[in-house]
Amino acid sequence: GAGVSQSPRYKVAKRGQDVALRCDPISGHVSLFWYQQALGQGPEFLTYFQNEAQLDKSGLPSDRFFAERPEGSVSTLKIQRTQQEDSAVYLCASLRGGRETQYFGPGTRLLVL
Amino acid sequence: DQQVKQNSPSLSVQEGRISILNCDYTNSMFDYFLWYKKYPAEGPTFLISISSIKDKNEDGRFTVFLNKSAKHLSLHIVPSQPGDSAVYFCAASVLNQGAQKLVFGQGTRLTINP
Repeated sequence: GAGVSQSPRYKVAKRGQDVALRCDPISGHVSLFWYQQALGQGPEFLTYFQNEAQLDKSGLPSDRFFAERPEGSVSTLKIQRTQQEDSAVYLCASLRGGRETQYFGPGTRLLVL
Repeated sequence: DQQVKQNSPSLSVQEGRISILNCDYTNSMFDYFLWYKKYPAEGPTFLISISSIKDKNEDGRFTVFLNKSAKHLSLHIVPSQPGDSAVYFCAASVLNQGAQKLVFGQGTRLTINP
């Protein structure tokens, strides 16, 4: 497609529920990032893939967060046993690599009740 | 530990005037700086960038200035237009494992008044 797409755009989850957030990067983009943006804050790095390899997951806040990109294209961010503090916008970005521009998707707004 | 700071949460400027958005950073390892613009319900979109080997980069109405000794960068928009109203994020990066991990500031909401 023309840009990065994310689904769902909005997700309401009950505390303790598992959620899965999907990112479709721009075709051919090797690198993919996930960011978390809390209300009134800037995006914060979660994890980074180069093709199917997860090279950096230092930003994942707990072991309840898990990301995968099995075929080097679509990526899924999974949050197990969601907590209220997980409420945020989750942004995905893709790029060809190196210093190339990161193109962001519209984000998934997650609300945990 | 906020490595990139935008100390002004909001800024209001009259149409046609200059908008100046500021950003400070603490990590001297950062070697590349970017500005992103964000409209509601959309992801951030890239605006302009600057390498640490430069002190100025210009693209149309947008100019970014970098003062390495002060660890400070600014974005100038001249002249400001109503469509510039958005949240602006400053970001800093260092190349690591083949890609640049961006560290963002908190954002500044710019409002251009007609």
